[in-house]
Amino acid sequence: EVQLVESGGGLVQPGRSLKLSCVASGFTFSDYGMHWIRQAPGKGLEWVAYISSSSGTIYYADTMKGRFSISRDNAKNTLYLQLSSLRSEDTAFYYCVRRGPPGFWFAYWGQGTLVTVSS
Amino acid sequence: DIVVTQSPSSLAVSAGETVTINCKSSQSLLSSVNQKNYLAWYQQKPGQSPKLLISLASTRESGVPDRFIGSGSGTDFTLTISSVQAEDLADYYCQQHYSFPLTFGSGTKLEIK
Repeated sequence: EVQLVESGGGLVQPGRSLKLSCVASGFTFSDYGMHWIRQAPGKGLEWVAYISSSSGTIYYADTMKGRFSISRDNAKNTLYLQLSSLRSEDTAFYYCVRRGPPGFWFAYWGQGTLVTVSS
Repeated sequence: DIVVTQSPSSLAVSAGETVTINCKSSQSLLSSVNQKNYLAWYQQKPGQSPKLLISLASTRESGVPDRFIGSGSGTDFTLTISSVQAEDLADYYCQQHYSFPLTFGSGTKLEIK
């Protein structure tokens, strides 16, 4: 069974940084590209970033480019998202999502971790 | 960027009725390579993470009831839920997986009368 477990969320002040983690199990992590997707409370879904299986290809949503950094450690079956220069509008649930090959749809989702940016 | 416009934003139906949710993209999602349409549909029940229902416009995921039907091509797509059940209470989203940045529709809230 595919499992994705996010952690690292919490309350953070504007302008500060935070690093999210996602531990994967139930599949060969190093074979799959991974995404981060976020959802502000009560709002819709917003794709954040994608990293390929080997980390050779990375894409970001324009609004996150330069502030967020996606990475992975295949030896630890772990996906990361480094958030910096956080703003109140970054408050959201952040989901770790496995790619659905062969296409870029979102096949498996974690339960999400809540990031709250507030002073 | 491809803009995906979803409608309606909400609807309320009685159990047993048929529901139609629409999604329109700002450019064609039809691949000239394989003639497949790169659109997916998701269901998000209250308090839960989203769940993939349909990919490539009409391919249902394993375990998804056959009352969920995806159709359409090019720029216009539809999710039809026939004989709606109480358990279908959820938000529904479409997503284009044709090109980066990947984008979602704004969602449709389905309520059961």
